[in-house]
Amino acid sequence: AQSVTQPDIHITVSEGASLELRCNYSYGATPYLFWYVQSPGQGLQLLLKYFSGDTLVQGIKGFEAEFKRSQSSFNLRKPSVHWSDAAEYFCAVGAGAGGTSYGKLTFGQGTILTVHP
Amino acid sequence: DAGITQSPRYKITETGRQVTLMCHQTWSHSYMFWYRQDLGHGLRLIYYSAAADITDKGEVPDGYVVSRSKTENFPLTLESATRSQTSVYFCASRDQTSEQFFGPGTRLTVL
Repeated sequence: AQSVTQPDIHITVSEGASLELRCNYSYGATPYLFWYVQSPGQGLQLLLKYFSGDTLVQGIKGFEAEFKRSQSSFNLRKPSVHWSDAAEYFCAVGAGAGGTSYGKLTFGQGTILTVHP
Repeated sequence: DAGITQSPRYKITETGRQVTLMCHQTWSHSYMFWYRQDLGHGLRLIYYSAAADITDKGEVPDGYVVSRSKTENFPLTLESATRSQTSVYFCASRDQTSEQFFGPGTRLTVL
């Protein structure tokens, strides 16, 4: 069964500091990996995704993530955090299209990011 | 407007009542999903659908019913609402790259 672990429930950083949010997954084959962001009272917005190819993926809002197969990780990074980045971040793993999986996503429990001025 | 919409956005109901949450998408995506979001649990899959008239259970299906008579609509029904079903419900549809697009959510309170 696929699973996702986000070890940090809550992270606080100062504006301008660098950020890394951890994500570890368990999946039997080559995973499709996603990072979503959720602002309070809003739906989920895709930040970036990894399907194959280059293991360093660039996303929106200056975020990037690196797929490390040997560590089963897909950590999200940003070099300089802005106050508007305060939100909850979800890592997700899923299967590709086709087969019987229907592309189901399994989400981690989320990491809440607080940004101090 | 193109996209995925949910209605109502907020709903308060009483234990034992039937409630239907609506989901509509304009992309003609084949795959659609219902999740619930609860503190400490992230998003959990309730039901999903691969096409009209094809649905299947997810991780937490008990107490819920879905139907999909048209590709663009995927309603979720709570046949007899319980307090444990108080949650935020998200509908999503999936494109051919496996990316899922989420609606704005419905906040349901069961008293």
